[in-house]
Amino acid sequence: EPEVTQTPSHQVTQMGQEVILRCVPISNHLYFYWYRQILGQKVEFLVSFYNNEISEKSEIFDDQFSVERPDGSNFTLKIRSTKLEDSAMYFCASSEAGTETQYFGPGTRLLVL
Amino acid sequence: AQSVTQPDIHITVSEGASLELRCNYSYGATPYLFWYVQSPGQGLQLLLKYFSGDTLVQGIKGFEAEFKRSQSSFNLRKPSVHWSDAAEYFCAVGSHNAGNMLTFGGGTRLMVKP
Repeated sequence: EPEVTQTPSHQVTQMGQEVILRCVPISNHLYFYWYRQILGQKVEFLVSFYNNEISEKSEIFDDQFSVERPDGSNFTLKIRSTKLEDSAMYFCASSEAGTETQYFGPGTRLLVL
Repeated sequence: AQSVTQPDIHITVSEGASLELRCNYSYGATPYLFWYVQSPGQGLQLLLKYFSGDTLVQGIKGFEAEFKRSQSSFNLRKPSVHWSDAAEYFCAVGSHNAGNMLTFGGGTRLMVKP
């Protein structure tokens, strides 16, 4: 069964450093998403992406965040200058056009020191 | 704005007992509703979804959920819990437009006693 994959599974970085989290969505899906889950808190929406542009973003998704689909298979989330409060599990998800079922990857656990 | 409430943070049931996890939502129109399960260290796995039609939906692993518009609820049920069901369960509501966000509840952690 096709699945969403994410790399790395864990990343440790120093505050102020840039990180790029990578995702490979399900191959025939056209909508891509990032969510995050701070330890002990709810899963929160960050951004959705379709047709090479952001279709919706939350107030969490400020100027330090960006997303990109650099090729036909990868979908990335970049955090330009990480803060301690960016420590969280980041989930990528994808869905087919015209449906709302989002399929999630296993997540990347980011720790900012 | 859409929102989801899962009133029970933790639930413990005995193996073989029945289970009901509560979910209440707030949404201006007919919602799309989902239940996801997260095992320790794992991602979010879709258990079941409701888009329209029959209000009782069947999912994987023997789970079912019932949409009750009058109560704004979408409770998850299983007639007989297995030890492997121990996990965290998330209810989520989505909007009608593809590409829009899911709003998750706070989750219910299920523990299963032998």
